Amino acid sequence: RKEVEQDPGPFNVPEGATVAFNCTYSNSASQSFFWYRQDCRKEPKLLMSVYSSGNEDGRFTAQLNRASQYISLLIRDSKLSDSATYLCVVNTGSSNTGKLIFGQGTTLQVKP
Amino acid sequence: DGGITQSPKYLFRKEGQNVTLSCEQNLNHDAMYWYRQDPGQGLRLIYYSQIVNDFQKGDIAEGYSVSREKKESFPLTVTSAQKNPTAFYLCASGDRGVGNSPLHFGNGTRLTVT
Repeated sequence: RKEVEQDPGPFNVPEGATVAFNCTYSNSASQSFFWYRQDCRKEPKLLMSVYSSGNEDGRFTAQLNRASQYISLLIRDSKLSDSATYLCVVNTGSSNTGKLIFGQGTTLQVKP
Repeated sequence: DGGITQSPKYLFRKEGQNVTLSCEQNLNHDAMYWYRQDPGQGLRLIYYSQIVNDFQKGDIAEGYSVSREKKESFPLTVTSAQKNPTAFYLCASGDRGVGNSPLHFGNGTRLTVT
């Protein structure tokens, strides 16, 4: 089993739709979780950190489910500009180990 | 402005040659990382360093070498032993030991070996 797994998609949705991505992780000791966005041929950029209590930033909501070992990203009212690859990132040990593992990414295409 | 700089953006080499990719940061971050990304794939960890003069192998370290002589710099050498070196290489930095500390990425170096 991979340490961090995502459904690669692509997810094709119309503008205005709500879409959700999940990401599972294998190490129950993981403590830090993030969502990154990567545009074609560019470097990944931090979208949001994922906190235990869940967190929201505008149209984006991130949640953590420790019991089932997954994190999720919900995008409401999708925009054309949301089209990108979304990467989940998990620190596979304690916060001091510094080993951050990326999922393979989920591709989102928002259509007019 | 604080940031992380990779150079060059594009690099072309002949098979059998070693090549060194530069990565410099002025964010005062302790930790630095090298990832490789192949087309349509996620990022795979090559090497990481949590402090000066110390570094650890990632998942795909074979054929690569690094050094961390200065806090600001973490160069990656792609040796001739690396079987498939053509890829997009990303350097990142972050705070060591800080819970929920995200990574900051450089713009990447696209290496093509023919």
